[in-house]
Formats: sequence, structure tokens, C-alpha cells
Amino acid sequence: GQSLEQPSEVTAVEGAIVQINCTYQTSGFYGLSWYQQHDGGAPTFLSYNALDGLEETGRFSSFLSRSDSYGYLLLQELQMKDSASYFCAVRAADSWGKLQFGAGTQVVVTP
Amino acid sequence: DAGVTQSPTHLIKTRGQQVTLRCSPKSGHDTVSWYQQALGQGPQFIFQYYEEEERQRGNFPDRFSGHQFPNYSSELNVNALLLGDSALYLCASSLGTGVREQYFGPGTRLTVT
Repeated sequence: GQSLEQPSEVTAVEGAIVQINCTYQTSGFYGLSWYQQHDGGAPTFLSYNALDGLEETGRFSSFLSRSDSYGYLLLQELQMKDSASYFCAVRAADSWGKLQFGAGTQVVVTP
Repeated sequence: DAGVTQSPTHLIKTRGQQVTLRCSPKSGHDTVSWYQQALGQGPQFIFQYYEEEERQRGNFPDRFSGHQFPNYSSELNVNALLLGDSALYLCASSLGTGVREQYFGPGTRLTVT
């Protein structure tokens, strides 16, 4: 089977840096995605890692280590609007079209 | 450029009833995936439709069925509703069945009483 683990909540102040870790277990692996979801809103795509290393998109970066079955999302220069839930999601080799999501990390940004 | 749209936005049904939810994918997308999201949880994959056929299915009972039309829009049907079916139902579209990047609709909030 497949499983993903990520922290349930992280709190930080504006301007700080937050790292959300995600560990996964899956039979075969294609890639790790990150999505952001504000309360009552639709999940929106942030990043995708298929290969080891760091992907940077503006204030957000995502990292993957395939050998460690581990990834993280780095949020820099936190802003109040970054308060949301963040989900890691795995695309497994035995289920090409299926995206399995973690339970999500609630990021709370305080002034 | 129209994004993913879903209807209705909210729905209240009684246990045992049947419900149909609708989704129109983002312009240019040909694949639709459906997810169920319970409060405080991550989206759970129900199934994916491509070329009017179900291509992948998650761990959901046969009460959950779907359809994709030639214009790529899709429906999710749930029969014999249970209280536990109360959730946010999300539709996501993509180009092709690989799910590197999916665009989600705003969802349909289903309440079963």
C-alpha cells in the first residue's frame, strides 16, 4: 500500500521560513507534488518533483530525495496569505493516473 | 480561459437517496479525476476518466460511479447515500492521464442527513 506522513500543523510569524516535511511509502514512485488549499477553496498546484534535488518557484521551493522517500516544501518570506493547508501527494508507478494525498499540514502565519 | 467548474456548489440529501455531481474541465484538458475530501483530511482519489472510460479507481465501493462525455465533462453518481458520504467532492482536470499537475474545481459540498 501507500502512505504519506506530514506534520499536522506549523505556526510561524510573518517573514519567517517554514519547512513542511513529507515522508512516503509507495510501491514504485513517479513523483511528489505539493498543493495549497485555503479554507473553503480548491487545492492549487504548487510544485512537482520527479528527480532528486531542489525546485524553486518564487518564495516556494520543493525538495525530493528518492533514496530517503522524503521531500519537503519550503516557504520563505512568509506572508499572512500563506496561511492555508499544504498537501504532499504521491504519484505511484503502479497507478499512473492516481494521486494520493497526505492528510495535510495547516500553516498558521501570525503577525 | 475558463477554469474547472462544478455544480452544484452545495447539496443536501437524505440517507438512501442518489446524487449526481457535475464537472466541466479546464479548457484544453481531456482528463477528469474525482476526489472526496472529508473535513480536516486530504483529498481521497475516487476515479479518473479519460476518453470516456474509467482508467483508474481508488478504494471506493460500486455505489460510486461516473461518466465522461465527448466534450470531456464528467459526472459523479453516488447511490444509496450514507451519512459517511458527507464531504467535499472535488473534480480535477489535466491534459492526459499523468497527474503531474492537476487543476481543481471549487468542489461540491454534499451533506447527507
